[in-house]
Amino acid sequence: DAKTTQPNSMESNEEEPVHLPCNHSTISGTDYIHWYRQLPSQGPEYVIHGLTSNVNNRMASLAIAEDRKSSTLILHRATLRDAAVYYCILNSLGLDKLVFGAGTILRVKS
Amino acid sequence: SAVISQKPSRDICQRGTSLTIQCQVDSQVTMMFWYRQQPGQSLTLIATANQGSEATYESGFVIDKFPISRPNLTFSTLTVSNMSPEDSSIYLCSVAEQGRDQPQHFGDGTRLSIL
Repeated sequence: DAKTTQPNSMESNEEEPVHLPCNHSTISGTDYIHWYRQLPSQGPEYVIHGLTSNVNNRMASLAIAEDRKSSTLILHRATLRDAAVYYCILNSLGLDKLVFGAGTILRVKS
Repeated sequence: SAVISQKPSRDICQRGTSLTIQCQVDSQVTMMFWYRQQPGQSLTLIATANQGSEATYESGFVIDKFPISRPNLTFSTLTVSNMSPEDSSIYLCSVAEQGRDQPQHFGDGTRLSIL
């Protein structure tokens, strides 16, 4: 399984943008980059995914490096409800399964 | 997105007993998965539940310990057999359509404590 590397934790101020990085230097050309988050006492929640181009949805934006070896999840205005563990996961061809790493604990300060 | 219900939401069990966890989805889905999340840890995939056939287990997980059923496209069960304190975890069900560009949707899990 292709691996991802994320910082253990990050801190942000409320109402400021947050950039959560993810390195995936062994990504293959057909791997999709998925982001999930897990709020306290809840199951993981899908955030966004992409292949090559940057993606936007109502929750966040995903910026993918040109060489695809890294990506960044962007929360445009962090709120206290965004405090969660954020997971960057590669979904590989033929697997249809997710392998979770340790993720990044995001703390949001008011 | 699909709405997933898991039952029970939590339970406290005696060692040596077994517990069956149910996962119900409000629409037909192709893929169903079972995960375990040990205290303070990330999620680990136990198995992929296949409709009408035996589940596909990940390394370190066996059918005798974690038998799984999937009788149709909206329902699956996971049994944790002969439980020990080391089985105290959150067990989560997730669903997806087939394809690596398809998001997975998770239930809120079953919190299991073994005394």
